[in-house]
Amino acid sequence: DTGVSQDPRHKITKRGQNVTFRCDPISEHNRLYWYRQTLGQGPEFLTYFQNEAQLEKSRLLSDRFSAERPKGSFSTLEIQRTEQGDSAMYLCASSQTPVEKNTEAFFGQGTRLTVV
Amino acid sequence: DQQVKQNSPSLSVQEGRISILNCDYTNSMFDYFLWYKKYPAEGPTFLISISSIKDKNEDGRFTVFLNKSAKHLSLHIVPSQPGDSAVYFCAAIINYGGSQGNLIFGKGTKLSVKP
Repeated sequence: DTGVSQDPRHKITKRGQNVTFRCDPISEHNRLYWYRQTLGQGPEFLTYFQNEAQLEKSRLLSDRFSAERPKGSFSTLEIQRTEQGDSAMYLCASSQTPVEKNTEAFFGQGTRLTVV
Repeated sequence: DQQVKQNSPSLSVQEGRISILNCDYTNSMFDYFLWYKKYPAEGPTFLISISSIKDKNEDGRFTVFLNKSAKHLSLHIVPSQPGDSAVYFCAAIINYGGSQGNLIFGKGTKLSVKP
C-alpha cells in the first residue's frame, strides 16, 4: 500500500465551475477525513466518514460543498459553483479504528485548487 | 476561537543545536496530542504523539513534553538537522468512548535549521 492517494494534485478552474476531488485511503483504514488548508493556517476540518457513513458534516463550509464515500473505500469531495475564496489545499486523511494508542491520521499529498 | 495555538510563526536554529517548538491549548477535554511535519507541496506527516495521561514521550531525536496544568506542550528536536526544516503543526484530539474525533490543528511553526 502506497499510503493515502489524492487526485488531481493540482486543479485550476474558472469561477462558477464545479470541481470534484478524489481520495483513496489506506486500504484497511475505516475513517476518512477531509481538511482544507489555506496559506498561513493549519488544516481545517471539513468532514469525516466511518466506512460509508458520513458522521460529521456540519463543518463543511457551505452547501456548495459535499462529500461521498459510497462503498466505504474511496471518497470524493465536490465543490459546486466555485468562488475565488475556495482556492486552497484540500487534504484527505485516513485512520484505523478503534482507537487505542495510535490515533494518528495519515495524510495524502493534497489537491491544490486555484479558482480564477 | 483558536483551541490550539502556536504563537511562534517561525524559528531559526543552528545545525546540531536544540529546536524547541511550543504549543498551547484551551480545551481541557483534549486527551491526545500529535505533532505533524509538513514540507511544501506535500501533506502533513505524522511525527510523534502523546496521551494526556503522560508527560513525556520520546522517539529518537524527538521528544514531546506535556504540561496539563499549563495546557502546554512542546516538541524538542536534538540535535537539529537541516532536513528538519519544515512547518511543524501541533494537533489535538478528543476521543469519545474509544471513537476518534477530528484533529484540531494549530497554525504551524516554520522551522529553519541552518548548516
